[in-house]
Amino acid sequence: NAGVTQTPKFRVLKTGQSMTLLCAQDMNHEYMYWYRQDPGMGLRLIHYSVGEGTTAKGEVPDGYNVSRLKKQNFLLGLESAAPSQTSVYFCASSLAEGMNTEAFFGQGTRLTVV
Amino acid sequence: ILNVEQSPQSLHVQEGDSTNFTCSFPSSNFYALHWYRWETAKSPEALFVMTLNGDEKKKGRISATLNTKEGYSYLYIKGSQPEDSATYLCAFNSGYSTLTFGKGTMLLVSP
Repeated sequence: NAGVTQTPKFRVLKTGQSMTLLCAQDMNHEYMYWYRQDPGMGLRLIHYSVGEGTTAKGEVPDGYNVSRLKKQNFLLGLESAAPSQTSVYFCASSLAEGMNTEAFFGQGTRLTVV
Repeated sequence: ILNVEQSPQSLHVQEGDSTNFTCSFPSSNFYALHWYRWETAKSPEALFVMTLNGDEKKKGRISATLNTKEGYSYLYIKGSQPEDSATYLCAFNSGYSTLTFGKGTMLLVSP
């Protein structure tokens, strides 16, 4: 049981380049989330999904797009990377019955935009 | 944007000391309060999910209490060990699909 898997683990991008971060979960969870973690800021929600084919904006969605074509996968896209998007990105998932059940996190992706 | 505050920001204790941290959250529209343990270079892992006022939960030397009416939760660690060194996060849910995280309390336990 792999849980939540993120790829890649590390990436360096040049300003203006694009990339997609992949999150995969094998727990049949309905809810999936993308967070970014910056020093002194805690975890901030970028986008989330409450089921296959649905997505919604979180606290800091600008500059990112997401897709949930399959229940087990949640993709985070950066169309034109900016240095302000240098961060550690975490994906998480949870069961459908609201947030009274724990969230499971991936190992994180460290992205540097130069 | 919901305001979830954690204090202290960081804490340095000696092995064997007991310690506690605070998480403050909005007292209205409460649905659940989560505690996570986050070790360096790893991903956050859930400690407790608490939903009822007055809840007390325990896992080994770690326990947590919840007061939804006044909007706070305490996390206690009894007899801290070096392996307890981590950042402890709390997260609040108001009944919608998302969690709002505090900035965490960073605990360092020296041998």
